[in-house]
Amino acid sequence: AQSVAQPEDQVNVAEGNPLTVKCTYSVSGNPYLFWYVQYPNRGLQFLLKYITGDNLVKGSYGFEAEFNKSQTSFHLKKPSALVSDSALYFCAVRDIDFNKFYFGSGTKLNVKP
Amino acid sequence: DSGVTQTPKHLITATGQRVTLRCSPRSGDLSVYWYQQSLDQGLQFLIQYYNGEERAKGNILERFSAQQFPDLHSELNLSSLELGDSALYFCASSVVQEGDTQYFGPGTRLTVL
Repeated sequence: AQSVAQPEDQVNVAEGNPLTVKCTYSVSGNPYLFWYVQYPNRGLQFLLKYITGDNLVKGSYGFEAEFNKSQTSFHLKKPSALVSDSALYFCAVRDIDFNKFYFGSGTKLNVKP
Repeated sequence: DSGVTQTPKHLITATGQRVTLRCSPRSGDLSVYWYQQSLDQGLQFLIQYYNGEERAKGNILERFSAQQFPDLHSELNLSSLELGDSALYFCASSVVQEGDTQYFGPGTRLTVL
């Protein structure tokens, strides 16, 4: 089945520490990969995307993600977490060959002072 | 503020009824996407329109339909409503399509009693 998996419902990290939010995908065609963030009672906001080119993508608010084709992963990372990063993070993939769009189940990031 | 507007913000209705949700994309965006976010099913892609034409279809029920008008605004019609249709419905827009960043509206919260 084609899908996006975010294996962790919740990630807890202390402020100032590095954070990783995991995402793996399974699609039949070539993927475009995205990360979005959702704050309480708000719509989703774009963080970053991988379309082609350099596997390391830098995005908004100091976030970055690395596309790993062999492991079919697109983990979101940040070197130093802030309390204000606490939110719900969604990984998404567009299967451009079959024109389908999938979202992961979301990972709640809690950054504690 | 993403520039995407959705009306109404909240909608309360009864089972069996029909409702229409409206979305106005960002100025210049040709693609409109509809999503459903519920506690049990997460974020589900419903359908995409590009310049008035249906472009991609996700997990949209037959009771649901959408269209994009010449002025590029879109409407999502939900009919024969069931309790399980209670959810947050998001609209997003992008300039063109597959690789473009999507900008999300604030959502319409639908409650079916």
